[in-house]
Amino acid sequence: DVKVTQSSRYLVKRTGEKVFLECVQDMDHENMFWYRQDPGLGLRLIYFSYDVKMKEKGDIPEGYSVSREKKERFSLILESASTNQTSMYLCASHADEKLFFGSGTQLSVL
Amino acid sequence: RKEVEQDPGPFNVPEGATVAFNCTYSNSASQSFFWYRQDCRKEPKLLMSVYSSGNEDGRFTAQLNRASQYISLLIRDSKLSDSATYLCVFEYNFNKFYFGSGTKLNVKP
Repeated sequence: DVKVTQSSRYLVKRTGEKVFLECVQDMDHENMFWYRQDPGLGLRLIYFSYDVKMKEKGDIPEGYSVSREKKERFSLILESASTNQTSMYLCASHADEKLFFGSGTQLSVL
Repeated sequence: RKEVEQDPGPFNVPEGATVAFNCTYSNSASQSFFWYRQDCRKEPKLLMSVYSSGNEDGRFTAQLNRASQYISLLIRDSKLSDSATYLCVFEYNFNKFYFGSGTKLNVKP
């Protein structure tokens, strides 16, 4: 089975802090994604990466950056956390038309 | 206009009932279609892909209507364990996925 692991299940940060969300997949997938999920809005794509050091903006990239130095790891960075970034963050990898999600990180920014 | 529209529900049905959800999409160039299931406080997981000719997996049947731009999911003989949120997903332009906000299903004993 594909395993996508997100480093933290719950995270509480203060406004202005720099936040790192880590995601690791063990199936050598090229494509990886970061989404956020908010009630009533569904999943929205923040960034995706189709190879090491390759990245593309999704629909809501503002306030975020990403890093993909190794194929298995895709990191989401909040440069200066704000309260409107309080959300559930889901990482996914993709192969054979399937998206495999991590268990999510519920981030609260106070 | 949202790319994907789904009735949020909740749909409250008794065990054994048949229930159906629809999901409309606005981008006619959408290429692939899926239903995902998401349990409370868990990640989404693929339930089934949706093919042009329609497809069935046990008690679940998925249909695609390209002319009217919607997909549907039919669940027969509902079980308590079917209680979850069902997300429709469209793939457009390789690797660009649009998610509906989900339809919540509660199956009652």
